[in-house]
Amino acid sequence: GQNIDQPTEMTATEGAIVQINCTYQTSGFNGLFWYQQHAGEAPTFLSYNVLDGLEEKGRFSSFLSRSKGYSYLLLKELQMKDSASYLCAVGDSNYQLIWGAGTKLIIKP
Amino acid sequence: DAMVIQNPRYQVTQFGKPVTLSCSQTLNHNVMYWYQQKSSQAPKLLFHYYDKDFNNEADTPDNFQSRRPNTSFCFLDIRSPGLGDAAMYLCATSRDPELYNEQFFGPGTRLTVL
Repeated sequence: GQNIDQPTEMTATEGAIVQINCTYQTSGFNGLFWYQQHAGEAPTFLSYNVLDGLEEKGRFSSFLSRSKGYSYLLLKELQMKDSASYLCAVGDSNYQLIWGAGTKLIIKP
Repeated sequence: DAMVIQNPRYQVTQFGKPVTLSCSQTLNHNVMYWYQQKSSQAPKLLFHYYDKDFNNEADTPDNFQSRRPNTSFCFLDIRSPGLGDAAMYLCATSRDPELYNEQFFGPGTRLTVL
């Protein structure tokens, strides 16, 4: 079967750094996406990795290791508005996105 | 601005009373998706259209149906909503998933079943 695993919930302090991990087992691989979803809202695109390595975009970075079936999202200089769920999604061999349940990130002052 | 629009944002219906949710897009994307998402769960794919080709996920209940009359519009029909169908329904689009499958989401319709 296909599976995406992420921690259910994480807590971090404003101004700090947090790393959200994602491991996956899918039939095929056609890229890995990270989305941010605020409570009651739709997911919005954050990052995309298809090759191994680190992709940096402002305060957010995403890393991929295809051989390990592993990715992480790194958030720096945390702000209160970063409180949200972060969903990992992997493109499978049918070009569909397989979604994780998301990691709820709680930012404390 | 190009976007994905969903109406209504909030829908309340009674147990067993049919309901239709709508989605439109100005992105001119080939593919449209309907997802169901319950609290703290992953989005669950119900249907997708690649142009006019309809694709039904194997575990989508028969109670759910979909129509895509043209490139811009897509509808989700729930024939006899049950309490378990209360959820957020998300419409998404992508241009060409075989090249790059970033999906663009509408704001969602939150369905309440009384």
